[in-house]
Formats: sequence, structure tokens, C-alpha cells
Amino acid sequence: SSELTQDPAVSVALGQTVRITCQGDSLRSYSASWYQQMPGQAPRLVIYLKDYRPSGIPDRFSGSGSGNTASLTITGAQAEDEADYFCNSRDSSGNHVVFGGGTKLTVL
Amino acid sequence: QVQLVQSGSEVKKPGASVKVSCKASGYTFTGYEIHWLRQAPGQGLEWMGWINTYSGATNYAPRFQDRVSMTRDTSINTAYIDLNTLTSDDTAVYYCAREISSSTDAFHVWGQGTVVAVSS
Repeated sequence: SSELTQDPAVSVALGQTVRITCQGDSLRSYSASWYQQMPGQAPRLVIYLKDYRPSGIPDRFSGSGSGNTASLTITGAQAEDEADYFCNSRDSSGNHVVFGGGTKLTVL
Repeated sequence: QVQLVQSGSEVKKPGASVKVSCKASGYTFTGYEIHWLRQAPGQGLEWMGWINTYSGATNYAPRFQDRVSMTRDTSINTAYIDLNTLTSDDTAVYYCAREISSSTDAFHVWGQGTVVAVSS
């Protein structure tokens, strides 16, 4: 079992806002990163250090966090945002990297 | 451009070992750690460990500690992962990845993935 917990599936209507969450005790001490993964492709980093966006990532993607929860928000979801989303951070020891189980986002 | 290119697919029998390579280009190889991750069919991402490409130091995830080895050859900008005593549970796509900047745990550059299938 993962030390980071994500909802397995979330849906959002086209153009609406959706929040995907990641929970874990280690998030009180370490920041989260978020990845988007399309079928058959390698993951793509969309948010790092809780709320930084790599170059080329649309500004409808944003990150936040408080306490033991990190969040990825997509404001105005597009059809092309339908994908699996994974969070990662450190484990409770701080020595290793761990991933959440992933959230499948459906855009209706 | 910054790129990681991995070796090709592998089919192995249970009990065997597999070695996957990851060749870096477009940046200073020894300036960043190389991390290895894997993804079993239909499953999530699993971090396996990293190698410091400058010193050769390694840090393995506990569940792989006993049967994984990560090495690098700085003369050809290539990192390797060696996993032994394979079982069907090791069937997965194996990725190498580089952080966006040091010590962020944010994997910005990914190899294309190497499929490892373990079957008798």
C-alpha cells in the first residue's frame, strides 16, 4: 500500500474546475509533485514543489497544499486533460520517494 | 535537447536477471541523479531508487534493496539498472528519469520506457 493516498477516479464536466487530492503524513514535511500520464506514454510533470509549473504546462494547472494534503486543480478542464494523474513526495522516513496510487480523470 | 534514451524490450524467464540502460544527452550527465521507476500493467508508478551519477552512490527503495543494482558509465553518459531473481510480478515498463533540478523529487525528463516481460 502507498504512503500517499489518491481517489481512484474523478470526473469533471468540460470547462469546469476539478481538484485532485493526495493525502499522506509525509506531506506535512515534504512538498508534492504531480504528473499527467496519457495511455501508452511516459508521465509528464505538471506541478512541482507544491505549486510550481514547468515551462510549457498550461496555467489552468495549479497546485496547493496544506497539512497532510496536496492538491492539483485544473481550472476549466479540457477534453485533452482526460488522463491519469499521480502525485509523489517523500516517504515518512524522508529517505525515499513514494507515489500515490493515481487518479483517473474523466472529462464529461 | 535534453533526452534519455533507454534500451529495448526484454523477455526473461523467472529467476533470470535483466539489465536496462539509459543514455543521457543534452546536459551534463554528472550534474543530476538518475532515478529508476517502473509501472506494472494497469498499475501506478513505483520508485525503485537513484544513482548519483557523479559519485556512484545509490539509494534503493527498501523492497528492491536485495536484488537491484544501479550503476553508471560516465564515459558514455549512460546509467544502468540490474534487477535479479525476476518473477512475473516484475513484468512492467521500466523508466529512467531526471529531476527538473536537484533534490526536488520532480521528474521532468523521462526515458521512453523499456518493457520487461517475465514469463516461463
